[in-house]
Amino acid sequence: GAVVSQHPSRVICKSGTSVKIECRSLDFQATTMFWYRQFPKKSLMLMATSNEGSKATYEQGVEKDKFLINHASLTLSTLTVTSAHPEDSSFYICSASQSSVLNNEQFFGPGTRLTVL
Amino acid sequence: AQSVTQPDIHITVSEGASLELRCNYSYGATPYLFWYVQSPGQGLQLLLKYFSGDTLVQGIKGFEAEFKRSQSSFNLRKPSVHWSDAAEYFCAVSPFTGTASKLTFGTGTRLQVTL
Repeated sequence: GAVVSQHPSRVICKSGTSVKIECRSLDFQATTMFWYRQFPKKSLMLMATSNEGSKATYEQGVEKDKFLINHASLTLSTLTVTSAHPEDSSFYICSASQSSVLNNEQFFGPGTRLTVL
Repeated sequence: AQSVTQPDIHITVSEGASLELRCNYSYGATPYLFWYVQSPGQGLQLLLKYFSGDTLVQGIKGFEAEFKRSQSSFNLRKPSVHWSDAAEYFCAVSPFTGTASKLTFGTGTRLQVTL
């Protein structure tokens, strides 16, 4: 149980185009989803937290107009990188959590490797 | 604000040797503590977690970790390392809020296993 998928696993796009990454919780309802970015040989940096049906909360320094997050259902969140540039190339990882009194665990997707040419 | 320090960027051990990866955290209240493992190009897999109770936590793949409040540490250990354990290991902390809240990760320790 508690499986999170991401699609696509790898994407290459041209500079200036937009890319959408999907994050799905396959066997549970995710009231909260998180999006992380991981630079090579670096730790995971939290980009934003999204709760189903409400606007995402972005971390300081993350451009909300650049990284659009939608959490339209309890099983799906999307991250759209708008007008992508080479500096947006990175490994993007989502996680999902089902809020309950004692459960604070996040389940992670396998990640999406974005390369912007 | 919470923070996590993993002092060792890279560790090399021989297969069969014991392993200890260090993690120190900073948080004003009772934290949730986690260890994750990431294989190349993969997402994160939870090894173990500490919420409360017994300070020695057993995890998957033969790993264990000990929470020491006095030292603000949550070190990961394994008595005998296997070559397949080579990966990146992340320690993380989350506030004790009872609901999903954001994780703060350490910078990771890369484990190399020599045969």
